[in-house]
Amino acid sequence: GAVVSQHPSRVICKSGTSVKIECRSLDFQATTMFWYRQFPKQSLMLMATSNEGSKATYEQGVEKDKFLINHASLTLSTLTVTSAHPEDSSFYICSARDLSRGPGAFFGQGTRLTVV
Amino acid sequence: QQQVKQSPQSLIVQKGGISIINCAYENTAFDYFPWYQQFPGKGPALLIAIRPDVSEKKEGRFTISFNKSAKQFSLHIMDSQPGDSATYFCAGLTQGGSEKLVFGKGTKLTVNP
Repeated sequence: GAVVSQHPSRVICKSGTSVKIECRSLDFQATTMFWYRQFPKQSLMLMATSNEGSKATYEQGVEKDKFLINHASLTLSTLTVTSAHPEDSSFYICSARDLSRGPGAFFGQGTRLTVV
Repeated sequence: QQQVKQSPQSLIVQKGGISIINCAYENTAFDYFPWYQQFPGKGPALLIAIRPDVSEKKEGRFTISFNKSAKQFSLHIMDSQPGDSATYFCAGLTQGGSEKLVFGKGTKLTVNP
């Protein structure tokens, strides 16, 4: 099936630093990718919709200056957590849709971010 | 109106039993209903999905039953196995609309050996 690869799977960073997470569609082109945040034992919370070649659309309450999204190509979207703080520690997941295979989204394996 | 309500929150089933997870939606514009399976520390994986013009879809041990008039759908896992132990999310999507998946809160399934 379609594969969405996310990197890194785990990252630990110091408070105040920035962290970049990559999301790649490996065998299809994705004009749209989605970024989610998931807290322990909770559902996925959509943070933003990443559109290739244009600005991302952020959900209400998500700080776009803190969570920078770049979708520079049809196979790569990046999420940069800027000036990270311990409260940004979470599980971040990206997804992409391959419309040739149906409307269902395919998810990356997730990135566990720990800010110390 | 965007909500998808999922129950139960957790479910324990014996090996070989049937696991049933229920979801109800409010947004009648939803036209695609996927189920996702998530193991700890991993991203969700698309398990099975259904469109509202179909009342049932079966793939192996997994079956979705869909009741359009009641705005409800459910996932049935037949002959449940310990390897099915995971968190399951139902979702709704409006194709051609916002394209955003609206997720239920999830059901943690434990299948005991």
